[in-house]
Amino acid sequence: DAKTTQPTSMDCAEGRAANLPCNHSTISGNEYVYWYRQIHSQGPQYIIHGLKNNETNEMASLIITEDRKSSTLILPHATLRDTAVYYCIVRPNFGNEKLTFGTGTRLTIIP
Amino acid sequence: GAVVSQHPSWVICKSGTSVKIECRSLDFQATTMFWYRQFPKQSLMLMATSNEGSKATYEQGVEKDKFLINHASLTLSTLTVTSAHPEDSSFYICSAGDRGGLDETQYFGPGTRLLVL
Repeated sequence: DAKTTQPTSMDCAEGRAANLPCNHSTISGNEYVYWYRQIHSQGPQYIIHGLKNNETNEMASLIITEDRKSSTLILPHATLRDTAVYYCIVRPNFGNEKLTFGTGTRLTIIP
Repeated sequence: GAVVSQHPSWVICKSGTSVKIECRSLDFQATTMFWYRQFPKQSLMLMATSNEGSKATYEQGVEKDKFLINHASLTLSTLTVTSAHPEDSSFYICSAGDRGGLDETQYFGPGTRLLVL
């Protein structure tokens, strides 16, 4: 079973920041927070991950609360190509650990 | 970032035939690869974990004799759907972890869409 809770769907205006929340209140000390997205009919795309510090890369920023029970993925300037299902997953950072996908958040960018 | 490829991208076959899907890590080595299946409007479901040089580990409810997995090298895993039936029609996706990187993020292939007639 997925260990995260995400809103089913969200809309965001093109050019604005998209903030996607995720609750993971039962996260363990050795588990990282991973974010992937899946554009229609494609394989999931890795976005970002973090343990406890906030992280930023060329795609997004990840804000993790101090108690690590929730996080927010931020797409700073959303474009139409960011329309996708976004998955928040917690997982130990070992190669043989599987990813368990929940239902994710369907983000729609509005022109 | 690390690149994972799958071949073929789509396949149509007759009921009762077998179909082989390849998953390759193009610029890194992966001792572990994963196979997922996704039905329309549903999330990804893990089918099995493929380990290089050893037998695959299947998730509960997945028939190991129907979905044959071979992980013969550090860059290639194959999934063979044997005696395929229409209910096996689905989107099959593999992922691989980059053991050479600073962490072991999993990267996904583009998926293979299987239609069994």
